Order: sequence, then structure tokens, then C-alpha cells
Amino acid sequence: AQTVTQSQPEMSVQEAETVTLSCTYDTSESDYYLFWYKQPPSRQMILVIRQEAYKQQNATENRFSVNFQKAAKSFSLKISDSQLGDAAMYFCAYRTCLQGGSEKLVFGKGTKLTVNP
Amino acid sequence: GAGVSQTPSNKVTEKGKYVELRCDPISGHTALYWYRQSLGQGPEFLIYFQGTGAADDSGLPNDRFFAVRPEGSVSTLKIQRTERGDSAVYLCASSLMGRLGAVVNTEAFFGQGTRLTVV
Repeated sequence: AQTVTQSQPEMSVQEAETVTLSCTYDTSESDYYLFWYKQPPSRQMILVIRQEAYKQQNATENRFSVNFQKAAKSFSLKISDSQLGDAAMYFCAYRTCLQGGSEKLVFGKGTKLTVNP
Repeated sequence: GAGVSQTPSNKVTEKGKYVELRCDPISGHTALYWYRQSLGQGPEFLIYFQGTGAADDSGLPNDRFFAVRPEGSVSTLKIQRTERGDSAVYLCASSLMGRLGAVVNTEAFFGQGTRLTVV
């Protein structure tokens, strides 16, 4: 079974600075998807960024980028120019891409990000 | 609707009672998922529907939990004989599914969840 580990329960960053959230995972599959979700107090999970394991290039979405290290099974999220609105819980998640496989997401326990003005 | 809608937003029930939680997915989305998020934890998978059928129910914790999706759109999560340990936020998500059941890189859109409190 796949597992996702987020070792930082809480992180803080100054507004306009850069912060990196860590995520490691365990799987025996060679092809899969990885995601970072943001969950504000409204409880709605919002997709921040995703990475296909077969792609060597790290995904980027505006101020958000990932450092995907497949051999190390590491998938960290970097937030540049942090804004007050970035404050939330951040969850790393894994999903298989096996044909016929379940589309369920396996989540880590989350990292609470605080942005200080 | 424009997004995934879950009702009620909050539900308080007494131990031993029966509850139903409703999820209305994005129109046209064939895949629907239920997750449970306990305090301080990440969401945990409960069940996944492809159309009307449960394609994977391996996350349901016991036989007190049951979910249906009779017409392939709205889904109801049913919990019998509720226990205090069932208190959590129940999240629903929906997504498109590729042809022939192929897993494609489609985004799962989440609702705002139902916070269930069993007292």
C-alpha cells in the first residue's frame, strides 16, 4: 500500500519570503501522480499543483513549484513571494495511474502554513 | 451546479442515531469519492463510485457505513448507529473519467464537507 509522509506539522514564513514544504512517499509503482492540495478554514480542498511521475521536469504554477526526486521518493512544494492568502493547511497526495486502478487519493497528515505580515 | 455541493454543512447527532450525508457532484462528472477527515489528520479514502456502482469501497471502516449513488449523480453516505468516533469532516469529490475506465490525469474537485459531530 502506498503511504505519504509530511514531517512538518507546522511551518511559518514571512510575507514575500520563500518557504518549502516537505513530502515523502512510498510506493512500488513506477507510474503515478503526485499532488499538493491547499485547505483553508473553509474546508474545501483546492488543487495547487500536480506532477506526473513519468515527467522529469518539475511542475510549476505561478509562485508554486515542486522539487520531484523520483529515486528518493520526495516531492517538496516551494512557495515563492508568500502572501497572506497562502496561509492554510497543505496536503501532499498520491494517486496511482494504473489502468483500471482506483482513482483514490492517499493523503499525508498535512502541514499548517502560517504567513506572518 | 458550478461546484461540488455537500449538505448539510454541519450535523450534530446523538450516539446511536442514523445519519445521511448528501453530495451533489459537478454535472457530468462520472467519478465520485467520499473521504473522512478526522481532526488534525489528512483525508482518508472511504469509497469511490464510477457511475452508479461502487468501484472501490475498501475504505469503509465497518458495516455501519454505506453509500449509494442510484442515478449516477447525487450520492448519499449513510451511517447507522453512530458512535463518537465517527465525528469528523466528511468530504466528497468528483472528477471526469476517461473512456473504457482508463485512469486519466483528471482533477478531483472537492466540496466543503459536512462536519459531523456525534454527542
